[in-house]
Amino acid sequence: GENVEQHPSTLSVQEGDSAVIKCTYSDSASNYFPWYKQELGKRPQLIIDIRSNVGEKKDQRIAVTLNKTAKHFSLHITETQPEDSAVYFCAARPYSGGGADGLTFGKGTHLIIQP
Amino acid sequence: EAQVTQNPRYLITVTGKKLTVTCSQNMNHEYMSWYRQDPGLGLRQIYYSMNVEVTDKGDVPEGYKVSRKEKRNFPLILESPSPNQTSLYFCASSLSPHYEQYFGPGTRLTVT
Repeated sequence: GENVEQHPSTLSVQEGDSAVIKCTYSDSASNYFPWYKQELGKRPQLIIDIRSNVGEKKDQRIAVTLNKTAKHFSLHITETQPEDSAVYFCAARPYSGGGADGLTFGKGTHLIIQP
Repeated sequence: EAQVTQNPRYLITVTGKKLTVTCSQNMNHEYMSWYRQDPGLGLRQIYYSMNVEVTDKGDVPEGYKVSRKEKRNFPLILESPSPNQTSLYFCASSLSPHYEQYFGPGTRLTVT
């Protein structure tokens, strides 16, 4: 099955600086890579996703890059703000050509924005 | 309002007493799944379902059962709960595994 490694487990940055969270995956057949944000006491919510036919995707201050050769993808947050403080999860979904494989999540990164 | 609901939100029970956590969605989604969240372990998938009567194991299915008799409902059954199943459980639904998953509010389960 798929294995997703996420680093770092905790990331502290100054408000206004950039934050980068990295994930690697094991299954070369994986073709869908979402990122979820979970604020304290709340449910995870999708913030951005990327499919394997795209190398980069941006949405305002958030971007995701994908390197299929190296099997890693990263979340970039620029101009960080206090409301960016949360736990971020990456995930990967392998494609089995007709079967239904589940979504495998990384262990999460606790992002702390220092004022 | 489009939503995923779970019940109960909090549950304290004893070892061996069968319980069911319900999950319902009103978005006509075909794909539904259950996750458990434990500190330091992230979200781990328990079971998922591609459609009515189609279910499959995720990464941590031991000790759990599911059923999908209707498209909107996907209950999680613990036939004989044990303390190691103490966790925060999330149900989620989406159009397919390749699209945004909408999570329910979570069910915090404690097994003593």
